[in-house]
Amino acid sequence: AQTVTQSQPEMSVQEAETVTLSCTYDTSESDYYLFWYKQPPSRQMILVIRQEAYKQQNATENRFSVNFQKAAKSFSLKISDSQLGDAAMYFCAYMGSSNTGKLIFGQGTTLQVKP
Amino acid sequence: DTEVTQTPKHLVMGMTNKKSLKCEQHMGHRAMYWYKQKAKKPPELMFVYSYEKLSINESVPSRFSPECPNSSLLNLHLHALQPEDSALYLCASSRTKMRDETQYFGPGTRLLVL
Repeated sequence: AQTVTQSQPEMSVQEAETVTLSCTYDTSESDYYLFWYKQPPSRQMILVIRQEAYKQQNATENRFSVNFQKAAKSFSLKISDSQLGDAAMYFCAYMGSSNTGKLIFGQGTTLQVKP
Repeated sequence: DTEVTQTPKHLVMGMTNKKSLKCEQHMGHRAMYWYKQKAKKPPELMFVYSYEKLSINESVPSRFSPECPNSSLLNLHLHALQPEDSALYLCASSRTKMRDETQYFGPGTRLLVL
């Protein structure tokens, strides 16, 4: 069975600084997708960034980028130039080819951004 | 338009009541999902519908009954719930349920069972 682990329940960052959220996963599949979702205090979960396992290049979306290490099964999220609006709970998630439709979430990391 | 809407926003019900949650999307998505989320926890998948057919039921108790009347609408019928069923219920949709599809989430219904 696949698992996703986020080892940092809480993180904090100063506004305008950079922060990295960690995520590791376990799978025997070779074809899968990884996602970072953000859930602000208003509750609506939105996609931040996604990565296909077969792509070597790390995904980037504006201030958000990932460090995808397939061999190490690591998928960290880097937020540059942190803004107050980045404060939220961040979930790392996995979807593989053997169980389509089922997103497997990590336990989440609550990010606090200090002004 | 990447919006998934859910009604009601809040719901309080007694253990003997029957109520329904509604979810709607107009993105042409053919996969729809119900999740249950407790405070400070990740969402837990309950049901997946694919092309209006139930595809995944994560061993959810029968007091939760999903329904997909058409490709845009997803309901969750609630009956004889327990206090531990109090949670945020999230609906999501995606183009299909394949692994490369992004799921779009609604704002959720906050349910309190008394």
